[in-house]
Amino acid sequence: AQSVTQLGSHVSVSEGALVLLRCNYSSSVPPYLFWYVQYPNQGLQLLLKYTSAATLVKGINGFEAEFKKSETSFHLTKPSAHMSDAAEYFCAVSFAGNTGKLIFGQGTTLQVKP
Amino acid sequence: KAGVTQTPRYLIKTRGQQVTLSCSPISGHRSVSWYQQTPGQGLQFLFEYFSETQRNKGNFPGRFSGRQFSNSRSEMNVSTLELGDSALYLCASSSTSPQETQYFGPGTRLLVL
Repeated sequence: AQSVTQLGSHVSVSEGALVLLRCNYSSSVPPYLFWYVQYPNQGLQLLLKYTSAATLVKGINGFEAEFKKSETSFHLTKPSAHMSDAAEYFCAVSFAGNTGKLIFGQGTTLQVKP
Repeated sequence: KAGVTQTPRYLIKTRGQQVTLSCSPISGHRSVSWYQQTPGQGLQFLFEYFSETQRNKGNFPGRFSGRQFSNSRSEMNVSTLELGDSALYLCASSSTSPQETQYFGPGTRLLVL
């Protein structure tokens, strides 16, 4: 079955520190991979997506993610955390033939300490 | 371009009632997907509509239904509401390609008492 696992429901970093949010997927077919961010009482905002072009994907707000097929991973990183990065982050996958359906991980809440 | 809009933003209903939620996609987008978000189950796919046809469906009971109009606006309906239907309902729109990025609206928060 196709699934997404985000390791760590809560991650806490200091302002200026590296942000690393982990995402692994399970699939027998090539996936399309996405990271979304959700601020309180808002919908989801796309950070970045992987669609089989470059394995290192750059997104908005300084975030990037690297697709590693051998590890079935798509971890999200940012070199230096900012207070405004505090939010919930979701990794999601979709597959050709499964139209319009995103499968989401359980989410990781990022706390940024001053 | 205006983003995805959802109405109403907040809704309170009682058990047994029915509710209709509305979603207006980004101009030019023909695909609309609906998701339910709860603290316990996370984000779960309900269904997707394209050109007024349901193309894909998640594992929800028949009480959850939807439709899409010729202008791509979509509605979802939940009949015989249960307490467990309390959730944030999100819709997302994308362009014609099935794997295009989905852009999400702000959601409708439904509380069932």
